[in-house]
Amino acid sequence: RKEVEQDPGPFNVPEGATVAFNCTYSNSASQSFFWYRQDCRKEPKLLMSVYSSGNEDGRFTAQLNRASQYISLLIRDSKLSDSATYLCVVNTDKLIFGTGTRLQVFP
Amino acid sequence: DTGVSQDPRHKITKRGQNVTFRCDPISEHNRLYWYRQTLGQGPEFLTYFQNEAQLEKSRLLSDRFSAERPKGSFSTLEIQRTEQGDSAMYLCASSLAGDSFEGYTFGSGTRLTVV
Repeated sequence: RKEVEQDPGPFNVPEGATVAFNCTYSNSASQSFFWYRQDCRKEPKLLMSVYSSGNEDGRFTAQLNRASQYISLLIRDSKLSDSATYLCVVNTDKLIFGTGTRLQVFP
Repeated sequence: DTGVSQDPRHKITKRGQNVTFRCDPISEHNRLYWYRQTLGQGPEFLTYFQNEAQLEKSRLLSDRFSAERPKGSFSTLEIQRTEQGDSAMYLCASSLAGDSFEGYTFGSGTRLTVV
């Protein structure tokens, strides 16, 4: 079983849609949690950290449920520029990445 | 120093040749990580250093792979006797030890193609 599991997608959504990504992790000792964004053939870039209280950054909302070992990312009002792969990441003294969920936003 | 630098950006090599990649981390970061990413997968952890000490190596890091960080600054990753299965993007990242809530900054990667 992978340490971090994500639905690989792709998710194809129209502009303006709301889309949600989920992931689960297996190591209950994980210390911190992140969503990274990766564009095609580029390096991953930190999108946002994820806290148990939930946190929001503009159109993006991240949520962590430690009891269920579940992390989510909600994107509201999708833009064409949101098309990318979204990587769920947990920190167990090193970052462990999921396989990523590919998002394609179409006009 | 504006980020993590990796060199070269691309490398094409024949099977059986040795290759070496370099990573220059953000100067104040004492931790340096190597990851490998293949198509359709997330980055997979290979190894990391704190200063010059190599603290952990993944099972993915076979005997043909060696990494060094001799003075606690830049690092090199060498692959000996390359195989086609080594074709991947090799990513370097850096961070401050103990700063577990900040994530890592990645370099642009070295894309290796073994022919």
